[in-house]
Amino acid sequence: SQQGEEDPQALSIQEGENATMNCSYKTSINNLQWYRQNSGRGLVHLILIRSNEREKHSGRLRVTLDTSKKSSSLLITASRAADTASYFCATDPLRAGNNRKLIWGLGTSLAVNP
Amino acid sequence: EAGVTQFPSHSVIEKGQTVTLRCDPISGHDNLYWYRRVMGKEIKFLLHFVKESKQDESGMPNNRFLAERTGGTYSTLKVQPAELEDSGVYFCASSSGLRPTQYFGPGTRLLVL
Repeated sequence: SQQGEEDPQALSIQEGENATMNCSYKTSINNLQWYRQNSGRGLVHLILIRSNEREKHSGRLRVTLDTSKKSSSLLITASRAADTASYFCATDPLRAGNNRKLIWGLGTSLAVNP
Repeated sequence: EAGVTQFPSHSVIEKGQTVTLRCDPISGHDNLYWYRRVMGKEIKFLLHFVKESKQDESGMPNNRFLAERTGGTYSTLKVQPAELEDSGVYFCASSSGLRPTQYFGPGTRLLVL
């Protein structure tokens, strides 16, 4: 079963509005990462938040992490048409050794209309 | 600094044929990962190399898949013989040492007919 589950599956907003995407996961983690994928392109790393962090900012991105609820949110402020993409959360589960596989959700498809 | 590159970008083959995908990680990155996304499903981990050694291959679907990283630089993923359910996008990623951020390539889109 998948570790991360994003919510909503699809989101359509107007340029300038804020977009919020949520991610839930199941097991204890080292960190949680958000990635973006433009249509037909590769995955671009956006931001990483460690398990001992509660909030992180990067430009127009704000990520929160609630380990008690096993959930995270990604907020994109003042959205632009270029933000149109699929957004994925990926968790790095807590485990022994140097095993570093990421566990992914299905992603949220964001459409920003001009 | 060049990013992770993958070749080919697309591959269309017939069931039963063999396909070899290549990944060139970011120079100096010891860690190399393969992931796959089948249409409509989540991205799934296949395996993780540290230099030339397989650290974790728990995600490899079956013995039709063979990954190598001779010399600890580029990696290949061979599917032989390919089946219809192998269709999907194969991503490669790399990371440096113990740093957690993985950098992804553009993916290889494989279609098995």
